[in-house]
Amino acid sequence: DAGVTQSPTHLIKTRGQQVTLRCSPKSGHDTVSWYQQALGQGPQFIFQYYEEEERQRGNFPDRFSGHQFPNYSSELNVNALWLGDSALYLCASSLAGPGRLGYTFGSGTRLTVV
Amino acid sequence: QQQVKQSPQSLIVQKGGIPIINCAYENTAFDYFPWYQQFPGKGPALLIAIRPDVSEKKEGRFTISFNKSAKQFSLHIMDSQPGDSATYFCAASMSQGGSEKLVFGKGTKLTVNP
Repeated sequence: DAGVTQSPTHLIKTRGQQVTLRCSPKSGHDTVSWYQQALGQGPQFIFQYYEEEERQRGNFPDRFSGHQFPNYSSELNVNALWLGDSALYLCASSLAGPGRLGYTFGSGTRLTVV
Repeated sequence: QQQVKQSPQSLIVQKGGIPIINCAYENTAFDYFPWYQQFPGKGPALLIAIRPDVSEKKEGRFTISFNKSAKQFSLHIMDSQPGDSATYFCAASMSQGGSEKLVFGKGTKLTVNP
């Protein structure tokens, strides 16, 4: 049973460019959340998608946007990249509902902005 | 109020020792407290979680102690092994309209020497 799959694993971009990161959730999961993890820090919540809608958003600027597809996979887009956007971007999937089955995280995409 | 404070930042123990990692929170609306383990190059993996109506939970060598009145919780690792060397994150969450996000501490880098 495949877990959460993220692509690409590593990416180098130039300031001002745009980037798209991709995530396939764990089989059976319908909710995707994105987190940014700066070096030496804990992950910070960016946003969550469920039924193709953004359900909750953290304290990130509008340069960060996302999308969820009918097959539950998701994309994270970042426009006008800053040096400070360099981080590990983690996708986590879960199953919506009253029970808390917990998140499953992918291994992340390491984004370096130069 | 959304912060989770984690200490220590790093911890070194000998094999067989019992490392203890502490976390504190402010927001009493948090109602789910998971601990994650992260190895280099990997995403966080759920270790163990507790709800505030329970004061202690054990799973294998991992124990969470929870003090609701003090708004503190801690992770104890019994009989620690070199393979436990990793970064540990505490987190807290609350359900908002069927959605939840995790608020992470900054992490504790644990080294278990042989």
